[in-house]
Amino acid sequence: GAVVSQHPSRVICKSGTSVKIECRSLDFQATTMFWYRQFPKKSLMLMATSNEGSKATYEQGVEKDKFLINHASLTLSTLTVTSAHPEDSSFYICSAAKGTEAFFGQGTRLTVV
Amino acid sequence: QQQVKQSPQSLIVQKGGIPIINCAYENTAFDYFPWYQQFPGKGPALLIAIRPDVSEKKEGRFTISFNKSAKQFSLHIMDSQPGDSATYFCAASIRGGATNKLIFGTGTLLAVQP
Repeated sequence: GAVVSQHPSRVICKSGTSVKIECRSLDFQATTMFWYRQFPKKSLMLMATSNEGSKATYEQGVEKDKFLINHASLTLSTLTVTSAHPEDSSFYICSAAKGTEAFFGQGTRLTVV
Repeated sequence: QQQVKQSPQSLIVQKGGIPIINCAYENTAFDYFPWYQQFPGKGPALLIAIRPDVSEKKEGRFTISFNKSAKQFSLHIMDSQPGDSATYFCAASIRGGATNKLIFGTGTLLAVQP
């Protein structure tokens, strides 16, 4: 298998502040990582595809200025939720592609108060 | 075209039973079909995956059955245990695609009663 580490696992922030979530592939290099959002008892909604050394590709309806993605190295992608609001509260999950398989991080529970 | 339909939404079985979860797709370009298991508050974990050139794949107590002509695939859990209680997602992607982007089903919440 392969290990993907996501940090932090939980974060509470005040409305209007920004939060950064990190996704690291620990034992392999990942040129492509993915960011998902999951609402309670719902499926994973793909937000964007993060490509090392280039701009992320956002899914339709996802605000790229709101959800900033940086993939600066082959083992690290970050998602920054800017000017967070309570409606941004959710479970955010990253995955890293290794060949045709995708390995997921443990998720980040974001609560905006 | 890009959807993966999953059923049932929830499932309750007794310990030792064989829960079956079904998925269907439309896009014939899909050629990689994984199943993921997710526990509350955790990220999904890859369970088993199949490619369309085989009709069945077994790994431990988990079996995928694949029907290419019907564009359907299913997950069977043999001798289910309470520890198997989780949400299961099927997914599909196009191998060799630019990003290997996964399209997920809606999920099935499985409860295995002792």
